[in-house]
Formats: sequence, structure tokens, C-alpha cells
Amino acid sequence: QVQLVQSGDELKKPGASVKVSCKASGYSFNNYGINWVRQAPGQGLEWMGWISTYNGNRNSAQKFQDRVTMTTDTFTNTAYMELGSLRSDDTAVYYCARDGGWSGYYYYYFMDVWGKGTTVTVSS
Amino acid sequence: QSALTQPRSVSGSPGQSVTISCTGTINDVAYYNYVSWYQQHPGKAPKLMIFDVSMRPSGVPDRFSASKSANTASLTISGLQAEDEADYYCCSYAGRDTWVFGGGTKLTVL
Repeated sequence: QVQLVQSGDELKKPGASVKVSCKASGYSFNNYGINWVRQAPGQGLEWMGWISTYNGNRNSAQKFQDRVTMTTDTFTNTAYMELGSLRSDDTAVYYCARDGGWSGYYYYYFMDVWGKGTTVTVSS
Repeated sequence: QSALTQPRSVSGSPGQSVTISCTGTINDVAYYNYVSWYQQHPGKAPKLMIFDVSMRPSGVPDRFSASKSANTASLTISGLQAEDEADYYCCSYAGRDTWVFGGGTKLTVL
């Protein structure tokens, strides 16, 4: 079945980096982009960034642009999100989510398949 | 890239209807017909309920409907059921491969 399997929970110290993986299965990885979305405890969803698995094009929310790196490995059908210079307010559940991809000449700008989330805790 | 504006909470009794609004700007909700809605139960990943303003993915009950007028999108849930109690988020494409979410609305079924 179509699914995104994320890496395990992480505990990091302030100033460190974290790299979360998101392995896709059950569909053609190259046909759908990957979004990264986070949710701080008790807070709402926050869009972090998007990467095309087809050509590597990417963009991220302004607040993360100098700290986030998104990559993909088309051999293992895995997307990665690395967030650097971690602070305590980066403590959150980090989700990867597949976008709707192409259907003919139409691109679907929604997120229909989500990973279960990776909890990243930043604490000294 | 400011978050879309949603009411913090709404409530309704079983069988009633509720509507959740989502207000954006000319740069997102008003310009693009790419508004989507997500349902999130506690401790779970979000679930896509509506895409392209008003389209329902297969498997989503037709009790869920949505629309858009200018810079405000709306999600209506009719015939409320206990399992509809959850947080709901709107999301809009905002151009140049960026998206923006609303702050979320907690739906309580009384």
C-alpha cells in the first residue's frame, strides 16, 4: 500500500542538527513531491518546505530558509529533511507528506499521504 | 507568509451542521483554487478531507463540503457525528512552491 515511513524519534541538544528520513513505498516516487510539515506541542500545523522528487526543485518557508536542507534519494525512494542550529522551540512532531503530483497536465496541490511523524525534542 | 485565519473552536450537537472559515489573502486563498482541508485526531497524522476548494477524495463522506468566496474558504460538516470531533486545518497553495496552513479549529461535538 501507499505509505511514507519516517525515521525514529530524536533527542538533540540546542545548536545541533537533526536529519529526518521519509521512505516512500507503494507508488512511483518520482511522480510526487514531498512536503515537510511540523507541529509543536499543542500547536497547529506549520508548513516548512517542499521538494520535487523529479528534479530536486525545492522551496521552504522564509523562517526556515537558512536552516533547513531537503534532499531526496531516488535509488532508495527516500526524502530527507535536515534542520540545523536547533533551538528549544524546534521541539515538534515533524511530518512528511506527499503532494498530489501530476495527473495529465494538471498538478494537484494537496497532501494526501502522510507519514506518522517523527518527534524531535531539543533540550540541554 | 502569515498563517491563514481560522476560528479557534466551533461546536455543534450531533446531527447539526457547523461551518469553519479560513481567511487568507490575495496571495493565497483568493488567487489559487488550491485550498485543502485536513482533519486531525489527537496523536494522529492529518487526513486530507477536501482538495481544490471543494473536491472530496474517495472515502470522505459527503457530509463534508467546502467552498470559497474571495479570500475566505469554508468547510461545512453536516449531520455531525461524534467521530467528527477533531482539529481541522485549512491549507492554501501560495505560489512558487509554497504552502500556508491555517491556525486550526477545534471541533467539539456536544
